[in-house]
Amino acid sequence: GENVEQHPSTLSVQEGDSAVIKCTYSDSASNYFPWYKQELGKGPQLIIDIRSNVGEKKDQRIAVTLNKTAKHFSLHITETQPEDSAVYFCASLGFQKLVFGTGTRLLVSP
Amino acid sequence: DTAVSQTPKYLVTQMGNDKSIKCEQNLGHDTMYWYKQDSKKFLKIMFSYNNKELIINETVPNRFSPKSPDKAHLNLHINSLELGDSAVYFCASSHTSGGADTQYFGPGTRLTVL
Repeated sequence: GENVEQHPSTLSVQEGDSAVIKCTYSDSASNYFPWYKQELGKGPQLIIDIRSNVGEKKDQRIAVTLNKTAKHFSLHITETQPEDSAVYFCASLGFQKLVFGTGTRLLVSP
Repeated sequence: DTAVSQTPKYLVTQMGNDKSIKCEQNLGHDTMYWYKQDSKKFLKIMFSYNNKELIINETVPNRFSPKSPDKAHLNLHINSLELGDSAVYFCASSHTSGGADTQYFGPGTRLTVL
């Protein structure tokens, strides 16, 4: 089945810096890659997703890139703010289900 | 106007007990899910229902029994609770099945088995 690895497990940045989280997946047939943000005490919330027919997608300060050949995808957050502090999960679509990465705890210090 | 709601938010119980968690969505979605998040934050699907029919049943002990009385509700009953069942359980819903739709998660139910 699908396996998703996510790095780093924790990431500390200063406000205004950029943050990059990377994931790799195993199933070459996977064609949908969402990113979810989980704030403390809440459920995960979709922040951006990308499908396999595009290599990059951007939404304001958030961007996602996909390299299907290498089976890598990454989340880029620019101009980080303290409210970006949360746990971020990548995911890959296996057979009818999302397989999540192990999560990255992002801490943005003022 | 909560989209996906779960009750209770916290559940503390003794080993061997039976307990239920309830989930409701008011988004008009066809598909609902149960996920388990362990103490290391690892998030794994347990079950998925589409229009009241079970479509995904991961390798979950048969002490866990989901029930969907209608499209808007998906409940989880757990028999003979064990220490390892302690986790946060999330309900989620999406417009369609297949997995490639935005999933909307509830606030979670933190289950602690003593």
